[in-house]
Amino acid sequence: QVQLVESGGGLVKPGGSLRLSCAASGFTFSDYYMSWIRQAPGKGLEWVSYISSSGSTIYYADSVKGRFTISRDNAKNSLYLQMNSLRAEDTAVYYCAREGAQMALDYWGQGTLVTVSS
Amino acid sequence: DIVMTQTPLSSPVTLGQPASISCRSSQSLVHSDGNTYLSWLQQRPGQPPRLLIYKISNRFSGVPDRFSGSGAGTDFTLKISRVEAEDVGVYYCMQATQFLYTFGQGTKLEIK
Repeated sequence: QVQLVESGGGLVKPGGSLRLSCAASGFTFSDYYMSWIRQAPGKGLEWVSYISSSGSTIYYADSVKGRFTISRDNAKNSLYLQMNSLRAEDTAVYYCAREGAQMALDYWGQGTLVTVSS
Repeated sequence: DIVMTQTPLSSPVTLGQPASISCRSSQSLVHSDGNTYLSWLQQRPGQPPRLLIYKISNRFSGVPDRFSGSGAGTDFTLKISRVEAEDVGVYYCMQATQFLYTFGQGTKLEIK
């Protein structure tokens, strides 16, 4: 069965960095586009970044552009999000999600919590 | 960016009764390929989101048939024919027609 497992979250000071990982299994990872989505405490969903199956096409939300970098390693069935210059407003649960054939986010991980605080 | 607006933001419903959530986009969600990439997701308390409906009206695998989607262009609706206790949570519409992908604010479904 399709599984997505995020890791790498934690407490970091403003201006600090974190690298999130998402381990995929149960499907051919290299065939699928992937996204990161975040959810601040008690708030709604915010799409963060997208990467195509080969990694050649990447998009970011304006709120993270220039600070976050999405990447993938198809040989390791893994998706990453490098987060630099973190701010308090980046505090959220970060989910990785698979984009299915119909351009819908059809499978989601359980999420990893990132807390940015001094 | 395409803005997605959901109404209502909160919906108290009696068990066994129908529920309806509206989602309006700030511009047409018809893609250049002719498809409309509007989906609905459910987030139960303490859980990650789960895909219910894709491309306006197609139920995802394992989704009960009491959930249905409709609409076109800029106006879309999610309907639950008979609400069950397990349907409690927050429902989001999402567009993937144009980057940046955007979500509605969410509609909280609760039992009266």
